[in-house]
Amino acid sequence: EVHLVESGGGLVQPGRSLRLSCVASGFTFDDYAMHWVRQGPGKGLEWVSGISFNSATIGYGESVEGRFTISRDNARNSLFLQMNNLRPDDTAVYFCAKDRYTNLSGGLPHWGRGILVTVSS
Amino acid sequence: EIEMTQSPATLSVSPGERVTLSCRASQGVTANVAWYQQKPGQAPRLLIHTVSTRATGVPTRFSGSGYGTEFTLTISSLQSEDFAVYYCQQYSDWVTFGQGTKVEFK
Repeated sequence: EVHLVESGGGLVQPGRSLRLSCVASGFTFDDYAMHWVRQGPGKGLEWVSGISFNSATIGYGESVEGRFTISRDNARNSLFLQMNNLRPDDTAVYFCAKDRYTNLSGGLPHWGRGILVTVSS
Repeated sequence: EIEMTQSPATLSVSPGERVTLSCRASQGVTANVAWYQQKPGQAPRLLIHTVSTRATGVPTRFSGSGYGTEFTLTISSLQSEDFAVYYCQQYSDWVTFGQGTKVEFK
């Protein structure tokens, strides 16, 4: 069974940084692309970033481009999101999600439970 | 960035009714569209990918159609467990989601 467990969230002041992690199990991690998707309070889903199986292809949503960096460590079955210069509108639940394929094909069949990030002074 | 526009924002329906949700892309996305269901406090659940392919375990009452810029999710006979928010997603050019359609009890 696929399991995705996020960690690293919490309360952070505007302008500061935070690093999210997602540990995967139940599948061959380095065979699949991975994504981060977020959901602000009472809002819809927003794609944050995606990374192909071998890290060769990386993409970001417009609102986080230049501030967030996605990475993965296939040896540790882990996905990361480095978030810099955080703003109050980055406040959201952040989900780790597994793609259907090796590259960024969309179609996300497996999701973590999400981790809350709150940006506030 | 490709925008995905869903309509209506809210749909009030009774169990047993046929439900049709719409999603329009700001530019052509061929068949690279998925649909998700989300219930309060839960992660989204993939229902449909590649416009019309049901994900594993998804009941046959859920079906998808469309191509290019116009897409539809149909629930043939709404069950009580189907009250939720539904999102469309394109993955032709990176990824974007629609703003969601809430299916609520009439």
